[in-house]
Amino acid sequence: DIQMTQSPSSLSASVGDRVTITCRASQTISTYLNWYQQKPGSAPKILIYGASTLQSGVPSRFSGSGSGTDFTLTISSLQPEDFATYSCQQSYSIPYTFGPGTKVQIK
Amino acid sequence: EVHLVESGGGLVQPGGSLRLSCAASGFTFSSYEMNWVRLAPGKGLEWISYINSDGRSTYYADSVKGRVTVSRDDAKNSMYLQMNDLRGDDTALYYCAREPPGYSSPLDCWGQGTLVTVSS
Repeated sequence: DIQMTQSPSSLSASVGDRVTITCRASQTISTYLNWYQQKPGSAPKILIYGASTLQSGVPSRFSGSGSGTDFTLTISSLQPEDFATYSCQQSYSIPYTFGPGTKVQIK
Repeated sequence: EVHLVESGGGLVQPGGSLRLSCAASGFTFSSYEMNWVRLAPGKGLEWISYINSDGRSTYYADSVKGRVTVSRDDAKNSMYLQMNDLRGDDTALYYCAREPPGYSSPLDCWGQGTLVTVSS
């Protein structure tokens, strides 16, 4: 099974900050990497798929990059509604696996 | 509008069974692969099951293999997860999630989840 790790596990940031979250796969997954946002009490929401393709309706301040084993999610200017938990997921092979999540909190 | 609505969760004793349902609307359910994903307290998202669009291909996480069975009824636009021999570590919020046709698609639509609590 492909293991997914994320760093950091949590971070504190201010509105307007640039935030970067990294995700690493235990083996190469090409660009079959997706990012989800989850807020308390809500379902996960797809932000980025294929490592760098923005899902329709997602603000352009979100971006993704990477291929192979190393990936990043960047929020260019953090907004109040962005405080949430972000998880990466590989869709390269079943069993699909998620990273442990990164909680973005208000500083 | 695309909607997924889970139901069937509840409090069950260890060793008990539950059948979760996922009702879909707003899209051609029979064209989509479907998944179950759970979120346990204090943990990250965990994929647990997949079923392809014609229902002939299913996969399970090792953590639930042999104890759960996924199925679908396209006439009812619904997917199901039969869970048996439940354990405390099965306590979680269970989501159904849609996977569009195509190789290695993301999970692009999720329900709000149904809570399963395993406790005596």
